[in-house]
Amino acid sequence: KNQVEQSPQSLIILEGKNCTLQCNYTVSPFSNLRWYKQDTGRGPVSLTIMTFSENTKSNGRYTATLDADTKQSSLHITASQLSDSASYICVVSARNTDKLIFGTGTRLQVFP
Amino acid sequence: SAVISQKPSRDICQRGTSLTIQCQVDSQVTMMFWYRQQPGQSLTLIATANQGSEATYESGFVIDKFPISRPNLTFSTLTVSNMSPEDSSIYLCSVSGPLTGKLFFGSGTQLSVL
Repeated sequence: KNQVEQSPQSLIILEGKNCTLQCNYTVSPFSNLRWYKQDTGRGPVSLTIMTFSENTKSNGRYTATLDADTKQSSLHITASQLSDSASYICVVSARNTDKLIFGTGTRLQVFP
Repeated sequence: SAVISQKPSRDICQRGTSLTIQCQVDSQVTMMFWYRQQPGQSLTLIATANQGSEATYESGFVIDKFPISRPNLTFSTLTVSNMSPEDSSIYLCSVSGPLTGKLFFGSGTQLSVL
């Protein structure tokens, strides 16, 4: 069964600190993996899209990694800001169906 | 990128009534997607709205409960019919970027059914 699991469920960090969010998936055959940021009361906004051949992709202070062999991805946030407080959702696409499988997200709170 | 306007942003409705959610995109798109996000859960695809044909519904979702209109390439509506408290959720419309495949989401409709 195609699944996407994220950890931790929630995370609290202090402003200026770094953090790493994890995503494990069992989707096969793999097409691509996306990270989204969803502010409270808003729709998700795309951070990165990674295909099979990409190991690392950055978007400002956000860096996503992908290990297609172990089917793991991480999202690293550097020098966190209060505005980083949001849910981060990992989404994996299956090549044969183009279906998107959504993780339940990691709720990040950044405190001053 | 695509700019998506979704309304209403939130509503509180009585059991048994219906609510229609509108989604307007600033460019022409072939497919529009409707998602539901129940509290503390991931997004679940309800249906794909195709212009000029009936919407394609995912398992567990039916047209009688969630009728969808797609009159043109920039607009779609989702109706939540005969609502019950279990329908309380965030409903999101989405489109896919033509070249990147990137998904763009509306701001969502927070629905509460009493």
